[in-house]
Amino acid sequence: GIQVEQSPPDLILQEGANSTLRCNFSDSVNNLQWFHQNPWGQLINLFYIPSGTKQNGRLSATTVATERYSLLYISSSQTTDSGVYFCAVATGGFKTIFGAGTRLFVKA
Amino acid sequence: DAGVIQSPRHEVTEMGQEVTLRCKPISGHDYLFWYRQTMMRGLELLIYFNNNVPIDDSGMPEDRFSAKMPNASFSTLKIQPSEPRDSAVYFCASSFGTGAGYTFGSGTRLTVV
Repeated sequence: GIQVEQSPPDLILQEGANSTLRCNFSDSVNNLQWFHQNPWGQLINLFYIPSGTKQNGRLSATTVATERYSLLYISSSQTTDSGVYFCAVATGGFKTIFGAGTRLFVKA
Repeated sequence: DAGVIQSPRHEVTEMGQEVTLRCKPISGHDYLFWYRQTMMRGLELLIYFNNNVPIDDSGMPEDRFSAKMPNASFSTLKIQPSEPRDSAVYFCASSFGTGAGYTFGSGTRLTVV
């Protein structure tokens, strides 16, 4: 099946810093999403982005489907950005596979 | 809309007991998913439905697990009999169509002792 690799596994930032999270996948995808799991365990959908670029406030994402990777950019990080960021992909249908996540901690 | 609603939020049960987890998807969403999250295995897709019909249940770990969706506004995930290794957070999610993102519920934290 498709493999999803996220990097880095852990990231510590000072508040106000910028960061880039990466998701590599091993096969063509028709569905790619980014999620944030906050410290209380809630999973929030950030982007549905099988290709192209999207922006939402301080967050933006780019997927280059032909090269099988996606990037999530966080600018001017805040302590509320802490948590785990997941990339999730599907190659067909809706069998969506999650990566292991990037654990982010933003220090005040 | 109130979002995806799961109940109960927490469940503690003894090994061998039957456990039923419940999910109400967002009105109008035609896809419903059940996921399980553990430290060891991360987020795993158990089963998903389209228009109340199970499409792929290959992630259901054993025959002890079963899921139903009797109508568009309700789904259950049942474990019978439960075992300590079933302890996990179980999430339900829904989406509309094939070109949209998922909305997750708050999850049910299951502990089997």
